[in-house]
Amino acid sequence: GAGVSQSPRYKVAKRGQDVALRCDPISGHVSLFWYQQALGQGPEFLTYFQNEAQLDKSGLPSDRFFAERPEGSVSTLKIQRTQQEDSAVYLCASRLDRAGKKLFFGSGTQLSVL
Amino acid sequence: QKEVEQNSGPLSVPEGAIASLNCTYSDRGSQSFFWYRQYSGKSPELIMFIYSNGDKEDGRFTAQLNKASQYVSLLIRDSQPSDSATYLCETNNNDMRFGAGTRLTVKP
Repeated sequence: GAGVSQSPRYKVAKRGQDVALRCDPISGHVSLFWYQQALGQGPEFLTYFQNEAQLDKSGLPSDRFFAERPEGSVSTLKIQRTQQEDSAVYLCASRLDRAGKKLFFGSGTQLSVL
Repeated sequence: QKEVEQNSGPLSVPEGAIASLNCTYSDRGSQSFFWYRQYSGKSPELIMFIYSNGDKEDGRFTAQLNKASQYVSLLIRDSQPSDSATYLCETNNNDMRFGAGTRLTVKP
């Protein structure tokens, strides 16, 4: 597709439920980033992939968060046993390559945990 | 200390005024700097980037970089109500970490 695609656009989960958020980056983009954005805050870095390799996962807030990009294209962010504090917009962004400069963002997935 | 620090504001300026947004960073190895604009409910979009010390102008926007003092600024001249958004500063290292953003409101 022409841009970064994220699905679902909205997700409502009951506390304790597992969720999976999908990101389909721009074709050919090597780098992929996940961010968590709470209302009124800037995007908080979660994790970064270069192709299928997860080079940095230091931003994942707990071991309930897991991300993968097995074939170096589509990525999934999984949150197990969701908690209310997980409610946020989850943004995915991709970049052409490591030396590439511009991040292209998806529209985000708004997660609400009740 | 976060790698990128911004005054979260909010910053309010009248239409036609100059809006000044500032960002400091901690990593002296940072080479490039980016300003993104994020409208409410939307994703960030790149508006300016700068690599070299000094000023870079693009229309009503000017980015200023001072590597010795480790700050980067964004000036918006002739501010318009449509400039009302949150402005995010980011350094392009291996990972891409943002400041908290500065919320700008331009009042007609």
